[in-house]
Amino acid sequence: SQQGEEDPQALSIQEGENATMNCSYKTSINNLQWYRQNSGRGLVHLILIRSNEREKHSGRLRVTLDTSKKSSSLLITASRAADTASYFCATDAGETSGSRLTFGEGTQLTVNP
Amino acid sequence: DAGVIQSPRHEVTEMGQEVTLRCKPISGHNSLFWYRQTMMRGLELLIYFNNNVPIDDSGMPEDRFSAKMPNASFSTLKIQPSEPRDSAVYFCASSPGTGFYGYTFGSGTRLTVV
Repeated sequence: SQQGEEDPQALSIQEGENATMNCSYKTSINNLQWYRQNSGRGLVHLILIRSNEREKHSGRLRVTLDTSKKSSSLLITASRAADTASYFCATDAGETSGSRLTFGEGTQLTVNP
Repeated sequence: DAGVIQSPRHEVTEMGQEVTLRCKPISGHNSLFWYRQTMMRGLELLIYFNNNVPIDDSGMPEDRFSAKMPNASFSTLKIQPSEPRDSAVYFCASSPGTGFYGYTFGSGTRLTVV
């Protein structure tokens, strides 16, 4: 079953604009991660935010986490055509026997040159 | 490191045939995961291993699916007999351990069962 739900399902913007994608989840988490998937390729890990963190930055990426609302957002600033991809959030419940990631359905981002 | 290596990249087989997908995780990674991706169901976790031991196979669709990890550098996912509804992209991923680690995914095997 899908833990995370991304919003919107699809987003189309112009190069240079910012892109914001949201993720909501249902259960308590240990950490939340964002991944990118280019068409026909495997997923690439972008950033991990722990449950006790509220914000994290990596280059042009900014991730926020609100555990009270069970939601996260991924902001890509100054987008480029190469950012065109599907973006997935994934949650880790941190179970004692070993953690595993549950992925959302993804947001398809298109950045137009 | 060459990353997580999966083979084959593409597989087309006839219904009823046995299919074996292979994965070589990153050296030193202790956790290995098999996921399946379809348009209808998204990314589903099938099974995962810690230190070569299967931890949770509750995502395996049915008895036709089996997975093994005979050593730290190799895992297989077998489907026998295959059915058209098994058509999907199958990903293998590895991570250094459990907890606060990102996963490294392979390029996937696109399986088509006709």
